[in-house]
Formats: sequence, structure tokens, C-alpha cells
Amino acid sequence: AQSVAQPEDQVNVAEGNPLTVKCTYSVSGNPYLFWYVQYPNRGLQFLLKYITGDNLVKGSYGFEAEFNKSQTSFHLKKPSALVSDSALYFCAVRDMPMDSNYQLIWGAGTKLIIKP
Amino acid sequence: NAGVTQTPKFQVLKTGQSMTLQCAQDMNHEYMSWYRQDPGMGLRLIHYSVGAGITDQGEVPNGYNVSRSTTEDFPLRLLSAAPSQTSVYFCASRRASGGGELFFGEGSRLTVL
Repeated sequence: AQSVAQPEDQVNVAEGNPLTVKCTYSVSGNPYLFWYVQYPNRGLQFLLKYITGDNLVKGSYGFEAEFNKSQTSFHLKKPSALVSDSALYFCAVRDMPMDSNYQLIWGAGTKLIIKP
Repeated sequence: NAGVTQTPKFQVLKTGQSMTLQCAQDMNHEYMSWYRQDPGMGLRLIHYSVGAGITDQGEVPNGYNVSRSTTEDFPLRLLSAAPSQTSVYFCASRRASGGGELFFGEGSRLTVL
């Protein structure tokens, strides 16, 4: 069965330090992977995606993610955290990559707290 | 560009009442969907549609109905509200193909007493 795991419920980082939010996946075939961010009382916003090509994907707000096929991981990273990065982050993987009727399989979310 | 618009933002219902959550998108997206978000449970898919006249069930469809008469609109109906349906509901849309990302509305917070 296809699945996504975000092993940390919460990640605490000091402002200015690098941050990593972890995501691992299990899919059959080549994965399409996504990161979304949810600010308090808001809808989810797309950050970045990996479909194919370069394993390092750059996205919005200075975030990037590294696709690692051997470790089946897609960790979200940022070199220098801002207090405004504090939010809930979701990793998702697309099932049935060759079918336009695909659904996203979601991780449970990781709360990122950046302390001044 | 409005994107995905959901109404109402907040609603309180009594058990047994019915209501409709509205969702509209102006991006001409073929795919639309409804999710519910509950603490510790992430996002769960309720219903989705890949085009006008076509709907299908997601992971947690019981107690909800949908219809898709136009490309733009995808309302979610609660037939007889129950306290277990207290949640935050999100509508999302995307292009049908090409690895397109989902665009979300701002959410509708529903409380069933």
C-alpha cells in the first residue's frame, strides 16, 4: 500500500538556523512528491514538487527539498529559518502516476516552530 | 484572481440539520475535491470530481453528498449533521493532468452541537 510518513509531529528551530522537515514514502513505481504549507486558520498552499530530473527541488519562500530514491525520502529544507516560517507542513505523494484521476496521499503534518 | 472560494467560513449546526458548503473556482480546473481536516488525522478525502457530471467517493464519504453541474462549482451537502462531522472542510482544485498541484480554499469551520 502506498503511504507517506512524517515522523516528527513538531520541529523546533531557532531563527537563523537551518531547518529540516522529514518525509518518507512508500509507493509502487516512480513517485510524484509534494510539499504544502498551512499557516494558522488558512488553506494549504503549494510549496514545491518533484516529478523527475534534479533531485534537489527549489520552491517558494526559499524552501527546497531533496529527493532520495534509495532512502525513499523527500525532506524539506531551508538554510536559514524565519519566524514567519512557523506553520504546519504536509508532505504528499501522488498515487497512480499515469492516471489523470490520481489522488494525493497525505502525511499527518509536521508543526514547525521557529523561535526568535 | 480569486482562485478557490469557499462559503461559509464558519457554521454552527444542531444535530440532524442539513446544510451545503459552497465551493467555486475560476481557474477552469477539471478536478475538484473536498477534504476534512481533524487534529492529528491530517487531510481525508471526502468526495472528488474529474469534470462536470462526474463525481466519486473518497476515503470518508458517508454522510456527505456532492454534485458537479458546472466546471466552476462543487457543493458539499451534509444530509443530517452529526457531532462527528465537526471539522474544518477544505475544497481544492487542480488541472486534470500534468502533475498539477492542488489549489485550496481558505476552509469552512463547521461545528455540530
